[in-house]
Amino acid sequence: AQTVTQSQPEMSVQEAETVTLSCTYDTSENNYYLFWYKQPPSRQMILVIRQEAYKQQNATENRFSVNFQKAAKSFSLKISDSQLGDTAMYFCAFISSGSYDKVIFGPGTSLSVIP
Amino acid sequence: EPEVTQTPSHQVTQMGQEVILRCVPISNHLYFYWYRQILGQKVEFLVSFYNNEISEKSEIFDDQFSVERPDGSNFTLKIRSTKLEDSAMYFCASSDQDGSYEQYFGPGTRLTVT
Repeated sequence: AQTVTQSQPEMSVQEAETVTLSCTYDTSENNYYLFWYKQPPSRQMILVIRQEAYKQQNATENRFSVNFQKAAKSFSLKISDSQLGDTAMYFCAFISSGSYDKVIFGPGTSLSVIP
Repeated sequence: EPEVTQTPSHQVTQMGQEVILRCVPISNHLYFYWYRQILGQKVEFLVSFYNNEISEKSEIFDDQFSVERPDGSNFTLKIRSTKLEDSAMYFCASSDQDGSYEQYFGPGTRLTVT
């Protein structure tokens, strides 16, 4: 069974600084998708960034980028130029390729951006 | 931009009562899901639904839960006899058959069982 682990329950960062959130996962599959979701206090789940396992190039979305290490089964999220609106829970998530079944979420990291 | 909607945003019910949580998935999506998030915990999968039947369900999704797509647009989650431990945020999600496997989440319904 696939599992997703986030080892940092809470993190904080100064506004305008850079922060990296860690995620590791376990799977025996070769093709899959990884996601980072943001959940602000409103509790809406918002997709931040996605990565296809077959792509070697790391995904980037504006201030958000990932460091995907397939062999190490690691998928970290880097937030550059942190803004107060980045304060939220961040969930790393996994889904099997070729499957429209469940997204498997990690336990989350609570990020606070300090002014 | 199309989005998944859910109603109500907050539902308060007494233990033992039945509740129906409603979702309107994105119109051309074919796969539908319910997830649950107990306060302070991670998001847990409940059930997936495709072609008018359940395709997968978790061990949480026991006989007190059921899902339905009654009219081609709504997707509902019914909890027959609510328990205190059913208090949680319930998220609906939908997915297109476009190979992206991305699931689009609704804003959630906060269920409080007293």
